[in-house]
Amino acid sequence: QSALTQPASVSGSPGQSIAISCTGTSSDVGAYNYVSWYQRHPGKAPKVMIYDVSNRPSGVSDRFSGSKSGNTASLTISGLQADDEADYYCSSYTTNNTRVFGGGTKVTVL
Amino acid sequence: QVQLVESGGGVVQPGGSLRLSCAASGFTFSSYAVHWVRQAPGKGLEWVAVISYDATNKYYADSVKGRFTISRDNSKNTLFLQVNSLRGDDTAVYYCARESLGMVYFDSWGQGTLVTVTS
Repeated sequence: QSALTQPASVSGSPGQSIAISCTGTSSDVGAYNYVSWYQRHPGKAPKVMIYDVSNRPSGVSDRFSGSKSGNTASLTISGLQADDEADYYCSSYTTNNTRVFGGGTKVTVL
Repeated sequence: QVQLVESGGGVVQPGGSLRLSCAASGFTFSSYAVHWVRQAPGKGLEWVAVISYDATNKYYADSVKGRFTISRDNSKNTLFLQVNSLRGDDTAVYYCARESLGMVYFDSWGQGTLVTVTS
């Protein structure tokens, strides 16, 4: 049950697009379309931004999108805004009926 | 509204035990799978355990298997985590999280309870 691999940090200027990768294995990310992404501002509870690889819950901006290829999932934030500055975590269901998180990515808006 | 309120954290010596609780309100607790997730200081989120809505299925992270036990009391709308044989690397804020009904993601989280393992 190793953590999914995310870049430690990603940065971009307002209005730009950034992408965060989340690499797992054929036992988690590659096995199912059950990857979700969470945004976490300091001191706040995580908020789901994407579920089932590419679905957005109601109320989440369409600037957030998700995709997957093989064992790697990605979260793209387009039209970067100041409020997007936060930590982002991916999570996947696994073949052992467990869950696994990525190590987290700090997004900085320059 | 949905509320999850954890309690039971504290300072404990290595090898010690604690029982964490998560009181749920604002929804039909007995219909949902619920999880424990932890975050060590300066680290990311780590999934710990899950229990199905009716407690028939329980799964654990390898790092806690055999030491932690997840349980629930649907009559009291409460989730528990019995943590035994605590080690320094168990020091973390422990969160309970609800799994969205019929889905595979976390849709509600508590504010967490801090467990500190130190001699």
